[in-house]
Amino acid sequence: GAVVSQHPSRVICKSGTSVKIECRSLDFQATTMFWYRQFPKQSLMLMATSNEGSKATYEQGVEKDKFLINHASLTLSTLTVTSAHPEDSSFYICSARGSPPETQYFGPGTRLLVL
Amino acid sequence: AQTVTQSQPEMSVQEAETVTLSCTYDTSESDYYLFWYKQPPSRQMILVIRQEAYKQQNATENRFSVNFQKAAKSFSLKISDSQLGDAAMYFCAYRSQRGGSEKLVFGKGTKLTVNP
Repeated sequence: GAVVSQHPSRVICKSGTSVKIECRSLDFQATTMFWYRQFPKQSLMLMATSNEGSKATYEQGVEKDKFLINHASLTLSTLTVTSAHPEDSSFYICSARGSPPETQYFGPGTRLLVL
Repeated sequence: AQTVTQSQPEMSVQEAETVTLSCTYDTSESDYYLFWYKQPPSRQMILVIRQEAYKQQNATENRFSVNFQKAAKSFSLKISDSQLGDAAMYFCAYRSQRGGSEKLVFGKGTKLTVNP
């Protein structure tokens, strides 16, 4: 139990385009999901907390208009990187609050490369 | 704000031996949760073990156990009978029990190498 998937696992796009990353909880419902960014050899940096049916809560310094988050169902949250630029290239990881409820289970991550 | 410190950027252990990874944290709260996550080269974050602060008994999961010292704010991970598959980055994380504070605070990680 507590499996989280992400799609795509890897994406390459041109500068100026938008990219959507999906995060799904496969065997449980997740009212809360989290989006992280991880730079090489560094720890995870929380970008935002996604709550089903309401607006996401963004961490300080994260541009909400740049990183659009939608949590339309109890099993799906999406992160859209709008007008992507090379500096947005990174590893993006989502997690979902599972059972026990204080525990986060992570997706396998998405590697984004913006050319 | 809470902070998590992992003072060992890298550690190595011989296969079948035991290794301990250190983690300290700073908080003014009395109720919280602590976690160890493993991130192998695949970069999939895997939950290794969790500990509730109100429990005095140290959590154990097969070859993985913790030494939770609440007064010292220390939460070390012991890996027994180390295996090659244990090689990974290990992250210690803190989560408040306070309502509305669901986010995890991570340490910078410890890279564990297992030598055959």
